[in-house]
Amino acid sequence: GDSVTQMEGPVTLSEEAFLTINCTYTATGYPSLFWYVQYPGEGLQLLLKATKADDKGSNKGFEATYRKETTSFHLEKGSVQVSDSAVYFCALHQAGTALIFGKGTTLSVSS
Amino acid sequence: DAGVIQSPRHEVTEMGQEVTLRCKPISGHDYLFWYRQTMMRGLELLIYFNNNVPIDDSGMPEDRFSAKMPNASFSTLKIQPSEPRDSAVYFCASSPNSGGGDYFYGYTFGSGTRLTVV
Repeated sequence: GDSVTQMEGPVTLSEEAFLTINCTYTATGYPSLFWYVQYPGEGLQLLLKATKADDKGSNKGFEATYRKETTSFHLEKGSVQVSDSAVYFCALHQAGTALIFGKGTTLSVSS
Repeated sequence: DAGVIQSPRHEVTEMGQEVTLRCKPISGHDYLFWYRQTMMRGLELLIYFNNNVPIDDSGMPEDRFSAKMPNASFSTLKIQPSEPRDSAVYFCASSPNSGGGDYFYGYTFGSGTRLTVV
């Protein structure tokens, strides 16, 4: 079945460092891809999405490009802030089914 | 809109007791999802509903778990009897549709219920 694999965390960075969180997927057909963020004590919030190959989703300085040839959707940010500390989830969606999530990657940013 | 509302936020119960978690989806959202989050297994889909009808309950761990959606504005997840391994954060989420491509905007999640079974 369809699945999402994320890099193991935690990821620990200093403020203003460059961030990459790797995500790869396995799916039949042409899924849409998502990144969600979960701040401590809260539910998941949609961060960005891409619906087809070569699309780039972006929001709040984060971006990810849908790469069909490598079945990847890596999350990047050029300069992280302490307020970016959270758990990040990669997910895929096929029409008529439920979102499938990766296990999440914890990001910790120190000042 | 107040978003997806879950109650209670925290629940501590003794093994063997019945636990009921509640969810109010966003008005107009036709899909409702229950997920469970643990450190070991991440986010697991338990069940989802479309227009109050259960569509896929293959993620429900065992017969001790049951979910209902008696109307468009309310759903419950019940565990009877509860066990320590049920300790987790349970999330409810809703969505206006489940179509593909540009017409799907993902889910809106509630803040979750942290369940501790001792």
